[in-house]
Amino acid sequence: GENVEQHPSTLSVQEGDSAVIKCTYSDSASNYFPWYKQELGKRPQLIIDIRSNVGEKKDQRIAVTLNKTAKHFSLHITETQPEDSAVYFCAALPSNDYKLSFGAGTTVTVRA
Amino acid sequence: GAVVSQHPSRVICKSGTSVKIECRSLDFQATTMFWYRQFPKKSLMLMATSNEGSKATYEQGVEKDKFLINHASLTLSTLTVTSAHPEDSSFYICSAREQGNTIYFGEGSWLTVV
Repeated sequence: GENVEQHPSTLSVQEGDSAVIKCTYSDSASNYFPWYKQELGKRPQLIIDIRSNVGEKKDQRIAVTLNKTAKHFSLHITETQPEDSAVYFCAALPSNDYKLSFGAGTTVTVRA
Repeated sequence: GAVVSQHPSRVICKSGTSVKIECRSLDFQATTMFWYRQFPKKSLMLMATSNEGSKATYEQGVEKDKFLINHASLTLSTLTVTSAHPEDSSFYICSAREQGNTIYFGEGSWLTVV
């Protein structure tokens, strides 16, 4: 099955700086890569996703890049704000499966 | 985005009793829903896949007789924790898959077994 690794596990940044989270996946058949943001005690919220036919996608301060050859994808948050503090999960979905495989999560803390 | 509603958000039950958690897709039909359990500061652990009109598919190590899943319609899946024990206390989250593979999560349910 798919195996997703996520790094770093914790990330502390100064407000206004950028945050980058990286994930690797093992199954070359994976073709859908969502990112979720989860605040304490709340549901994971889909913040951005990318499909394998695209190399980069951007939505305001959030961007995701995908390198299919290397089997890794990254989340970039620019101009971080305190409300960006949360746990972020990457995930991958193989084209021949119906289950998302999640990374272990990254706890992001934005220092004011 | 699509909306997935989960109820109740919090429930406290006595040890030995059963608790039912509902997961509804409000604005789309979901032939497949998923049930997760999440421990503090950990990732989402898939428990089972709920398939409309057929039996759920359980992940290895998950007791099907303890965690009963029913997906009676295209918008509703239920998880029943039977004969609950304190070690079943956890955050349970459902998700539903929309057309195009996008997956949305319910609000989650905090279960406390006393």
